[in-house]
Amino acid sequence: NAGVTQTPKFQVLKTGQSMTLQCAQDMNHEYMSWYRQDPGMGLRLIHYSVGAGITDQGEVPNGYNVSRSTTEDFPLRLLSAAPSQTSVYFCASSEDSGTDTQYFGPGTRLTVL
Amino acid sequence: AQSVTQLGSHVSVSEGALVLLRCNYSSSVPPYLFWYVQYPNQGLQLLLKYTSAATLVKGINGFEAEFKKSETSFHLTKPSAHMRDAAEYFCAVSAPDSGTYKYIFGTGTRLKVLA
Repeated sequence: NAGVTQTPKFQVLKTGQSMTLQCAQDMNHEYMSWYRQDPGMGLRLIHYSVGAGITDQGEVPNGYNVSRSTTEDFPLRLLSAAPSQTSVYFCASSEDSGTDTQYFGPGTRLTVL
Repeated sequence: AQSVTQLGSHVSVSEGALVLLRCNYSSSVPPYLFWYVQYPNQGLQLLLKYTSAATLVKGINGFEAEFKKSETSFHLTKPSAHMRDAAEYFCAVSAPDSGTYKYIFGTGTRLKVLA
């Protein structure tokens, strides 16, 4: 049982490039979410999904896209990277909506030059 | 909409001393409340959660938190700090918002334990 896995661990992009951050979980959780963590700002919700085929925006969705074609996978796409997207990104999953314990991946540290 | 405030972005305690990390929340309905811990270069992991069963909640590693509705607080405590407790701690609130529950995290408190 690997829990929540994220790839890559580190990534450097140039402004304007696009990329996809991968997230997978093997716990059969319906609820998955993406956060970004910035110093002094805690974790901010980017997008979330309550099940396959269903996604919604969080607090800071601009510049990011998500899709949920399977229960296991929830990739986050950066459409055109900007320096303001330099951050640490965490994927999390839980059995149900926001009332349950969230299980976090190890994070992806992204730098946009 | 709900919100959460953590007082003190940095807290230092001596090894063996009491740990007190403060969290206040705002919610129009009874919320679910959580404390998570983040060790360096890792994701967050759950310390404890309040789901209305009991106001004093015990978690892992000797931590506990008390839900005080009148003060809208959920402070985290540990009687005696260990060096291994040095980490960043996040309080989170979850309550219904437009038909779904949404988690809101506080800005975090970094705990330093002095030898």
